Amino acid sequence: EAQVTQNPRYLITVTGKKLTVTCSQNMNHEYMSWYRQDPGLGLRQIYYSMNVEVTDKGDVPEGYKVSRKEKRNFPLILESPSPNQTSLYFCASSFKRDNTYEQYFGPGTRLTVT
Amino acid sequence: GDSVTQMEGPVTLSEEAFLTINCTYTATGYPSLFWYVQYPGEGLQLLLKATKADDKGSNKGFEATYRKETTSFHLEKGSVQVSDSAVYFCASRLSGGFKTIFGAGTRLFVKA
Repeated sequence: EAQVTQNPRYLITVTGKKLTVTCSQNMNHEYMSWYRQDPGLGLRQIYYSMNVEVTDKGDVPEGYKVSRKEKRNFPLILESPSPNQTSLYFCASSFKRDNTYEQYFGPGTRLTVT
Repeated sequence: GDSVTQMEGPVTLSEEAFLTINCTYTATGYPSLFWYVQYPGEGLQLLLKATKADDKGSNKGFEATYRKETTSFHLEKGSVQVSDSAVYFCASRLSGGFKTIFGAGTRLFVKA
């Protein structure tokens, strides 16, 4: 089954404790993204990756890091989480069809930083 | 900058009612336009898309037409069901671009 998986689904942590949210896709997509979803703001892009070892900042990259060492994996790293990073996070992978990109989303990771 | 604006919710309808969720966009070029749906506890799923002016996207009884003159992509469905209760997101993406811009989302409740 084609899918994007994220782990963990739920995480409660404390300020300053480094964490990683994993993302994996089994569709051989080149393009992957991370978003955060906050009430009234929709989804905002944190980072994206066009292929292995190629990443770039989205609209809200501060406080986050990513890596793309393999095509299927795109982990999101919070080196020193703060309460304003409490949010719902989605990973997505994309493929090109009809001259545009369609995205497949993971199920989300709800992060609470106290 | 580029942006997507959609009507605020929640929208509450009775089953079999007609649905319209408004969406307008601003873009420096000619974007592709999308509607995504998010059911409770799940990630977003692509509902429909249109890649150029006057294109109509459709899926599962939902439709939206890309109107360049009004920079709009309103979502419609003739007869909603309880199972359509979800959050709906309008989004745009410039051709060849790597960024998708999402609206704030509109929550739809459908009562039996």
